Amino acid sequence: QQQVKQSPQSLIVQKGGISIINCAYENTAFDYFPWYQQFPGKGPALLIAIRPDVSEKKEGRFTISFNKSAKQFSLHIMDSQPGDSATYFCAAKVKSNFGNEKLTFGTGTRLTIIP
Amino acid sequence: NAGVTQTPKFRVLKTGQSMTLLCAQDMNHEYMYWYRQDPGMGLRLIHYSVGEGTTAKGEVPDGYNVSRLKKQNFLLGLESAAPSQTSVYFCASSYLDRAFFGQGTRLTVV
Repeated sequence: QQQVKQSPQSLIVQKGGISIINCAYENTAFDYFPWYQQFPGKGPALLIAIRPDVSEKKEGRFTISFNKSAKQFSLHIMDSQPGDSATYFCAAKVKSNFGNEKLTFGTGTRLTIIP
Repeated sequence: NAGVTQTPKFRVLKTGQSMTLLCAQDMNHEYMYWYRQDPGMGLRLIHYSVGEGTTAKGEVPDGYNVSRLKKQNFLLGLESAAPSQTSVYFCASSYLDRAFFGQGTRLTVV
């Protein structure tokens, strides 16, 4: 059972374009939604994260949009660059309780930015 | 600052062999995790620990065991390796919602 559904599986965007990756969840106990970026041969690294009390968070060219009623959130990469080519994972975590600190990941999106 | 270090980086095992993957973190984090990454499956949690001496099962624990005898180390064991355990394994530690990952161990079971 996939608790966090991510799409698309792969995405090709031209340099300078907008990359959009979508995730949906079912568990209403999730209260923290990060995105991780992974380059080949490396471990994932935190890119940006949001909590459900806001609808949008922006850090540089990266923006998370969050729709609590639809139980969906998405990553937007503005002015996409070849250096953004990587695999992106959305994730979710339940509200912090001792002993329950674990992330549930989506299946990943391989993003390729072409010149 | 090394962060999260995994040993070894690559390993080939024969079916039925055993091995231990070592994860070490130098950030004094309480929480540590083992994930496996497979194509199209994302990162799936195998086991995790919320502190020294504690362990708990994740999403896909069968065929694996773990130990957290020291706060900085989290060991993942395979007692009798199977081809289905061919994967890339990632260790992570976390603090204040942020997870820090190691560079991974690529394990092939033949």
